Amino acid sequence: QVQLVESGGGVVQPGGSLRLACVASGFSFSTSGMHWVRQAPGKGLEWVAFIGHEGTGEQYGDSVKGRFTVSRDNSENTLFLQMDSLRAEDTAVYSCAKDVFYYFDHWGQGTLVTVSS
Amino acid sequence: SALTQPRSVSGSPGQSVTISCTGTSSDVGSYEYVSWFQHHPPKAPKLMIYYVNKRPSGVPDRFSGSKSGNTASLTISGLQAEDEADYYCSSYADRYFVFGTGTKVTVL
Repeated sequence: QVQLVESGGGVVQPGGSLRLACVASGFSFSTSGMHWVRQAPGKGLEWVAFIGHEGTGEQYGDSVKGRFTVSRDNSENTLFLQMDSLRAEDTAVYSCAKDVFYYFDHWGQGTLVTVSS
Repeated sequence: SALTQPRSVSGSPGQSVTISCTGTSSDVGSYEYVSWFQHHPPKAPKLMIYYVNKRPSGVPDRFSGSKSGNTASLTISGLQAEDEADYYCSSYADRYFVFGTGTKVTVL
């Protein structure tokens, strides 16, 4: 079955960086677009980024554009999110999700990122 | 900007509830790419409806979706205790995606 497992979350100071990873199994990762979505404490879901199956066609939400970079390693079935210039408002649970032509059909449980001094 | 959903809806077992999801002509109104997710934190969200009204295999037919203009809707018929959860809509919007504000469904 499809499994998506995120890692790399933790506590980081404002202005700092963090790199998240999402290891995929149970499906053809190299032929699937992938997303990052986040949920701040007590808030709703927010789309963060998308990357095409070949590692191109990146798209970003306005709140992270220019600070976050999505990438992938198809040989390792792994999706990444490099987060730089982190702000308090980036505090959230970050989840990866598998794309099927404009919808998210499977999600991971997420990893918590806390930006605090 | 986030799609607008009611903060909460409730119903007794066996009743029907409908959750609205209001966007704009740039998202919900322009694309047939509306999805609905059920979320029991801290579990992963579960896809319930895609392409406005399509159900993935394994999702009960009590769940149905529709759209009219800039507003999409999710209806849960024959409400059951396990349906109590947070529900989010989502829409594609020309090179980005937008989610709804979320609705808490309570089974009385």
